[in-house]
Amino acid sequence: NAGVTQTPKFQVLKTGQSMTLQCAQDMNHEYMSWYRQDPGMGLRLIHYSVGAGITDQGEVPNGYNVSRSTTEDFPLRLLSAAPSQTSVYFCASSYRIGQGDGYTFGSGTRLTVV
Amino acid sequence: SQQGEEDPQALSIQEGENATMNCSYKTSINNLQWYRQNSGRGLVHLILIRSNEREKHSGRLRVTLDTSKKSSSLLITASRAADTASYFCAKRSGGSNYKLTFGKGTLLTVNP
Repeated sequence: NAGVTQTPKFQVLKTGQSMTLQCAQDMNHEYMSWYRQDPGMGLRLIHYSVGAGITDQGEVPNGYNVSRSTTEDFPLRLLSAAPSQTSVYFCASSYRIGQGDGYTFGSGTRLTVV
Repeated sequence: SQQGEEDPQALSIQEGENATMNCSYKTSINNLQWYRQNSGRGLVHLILIRSNEREKHSGRLRVTLDTSKKSSSLLITASRAADTASYFCAKRSGGSNYKLTFGKGTLLTVNP
């Protein structure tokens, strides 16, 4: 099925551990992004990419790294997990940068850092 | 900072009634989009309105945009229990076409 696939769906980490959240899309979308959603805060942009090899920071990038080696994949790496990174993480993609298309979202990864 | 602030934060209505949610923003936009999120799920794109448009329809949804007031509204007519969800507005800035900035959402509850 075409869409945005996020793995894992749930993850529990200990403080200081690192991990990678996976995101893949099969729609040949140029634009991909990572958001985190916290209660009462809406969605906040972490990092985004406008194409393979190009990434940039969003609103809350600290503690996260990204890379975009292919059009399809946009993994998000947590370098040293902290309890403040407990959140639900969403990956989203869009075609036609600047043409006004809506985003397609993945189903999310619920991360708990203890 | 977040732009695209929704009002009200929560709305509870009966099935068959209309639901109106409002969104305000601070700076110029390229377009404004509305999304729905069912509990525990990802966001689903509903409708997009460009800065040079004033009104758009999609089924039971009607979106208006007033750029002079920097505000938008989403109207859901003849609501159903299945419309129960959080609704978010998101704006794509005119200066940066890449980023989509979300508000905090309106939680709509439609009672049977």
